[in-house]
Amino acid sequence: GNSVTQMEGPVTLSEEAFLTINCTYTATGYPSLFWYVQYPGEGLQLLLKATKADDKGSNKGFEATYRKETTSFHLEKGSVQVSDSAVYFCALSVGSSNTGKLIFGQGTTLQVKP
Amino acid sequence: DVKVTQSSRYLVKRTGEKVFLECVQDMDHENMFWYRQDPGLGLRLIYFSYDVKMKEKGDIPEGYSVSREKKERFSLILESASTNQTSMYLCASSPQATGLGLKQYFGPGTRLTVT
Repeated sequence: GNSVTQMEGPVTLSEEAFLTINCTYTATGYPSLFWYVQYPGEGLQLLLKATKADDKGSNKGFEATYRKETTSFHLEKGSVQVSDSAVYFCALSVGSSNTGKLIFGQGTTLQVKP
Repeated sequence: DVKVTQSSRYLVKRTGEKVFLECVQDMDHENMFWYRQDPGLGLRLIYFSYDVKMKEKGDIPEGYSVSREKKERFSLILESASTNQTSMYLCASSPQATGLGLKQYFGPGTRLTVT
């Protein structure tokens, strides 16, 4: 079946530190991969996505590269800020189905301290 | 700006009560989704709808039903609330289009406590 596994949190970093949140997936077919972010008290919003192997998604200083050979989509940021404190979800959708169904990982909480 | 709204941010209900959670989107999206979010489990799909009056079960439909009488509104119903349904409930919508990487738009969530 299809599944997403994220590194366990919480992750606590100091401001300006380098961030990596690991995400690996299992999928039949060729998935599209996503990172969603949930700021405190809010719903999820799309952070970035990649739809084919070796694509790099990027937004707000965050990046993730679709690695088919390692079935991974790790999220990285070179220098985190306090405002990046949130819960980050890795997700996948399979095929070109027009239902847009997503499978989410368990989420990783990031806390950035000044 | 696109908007998905949910009827309540916080809700407290008693065991056995019938509970309605409402979701409205203003983007004319065909697809709508209900998830529950629990610590360590991420988001799990309860039901989704791809058109008015159409619905499909997600991964955890037991104890829930849904209603979609109008395109913009998708309701989640707990027929007889139980304490194990205490959770954060998130509604989302997306356009129905072929292709890869369809984005979902989320509401702010309803935190439901069943006592």
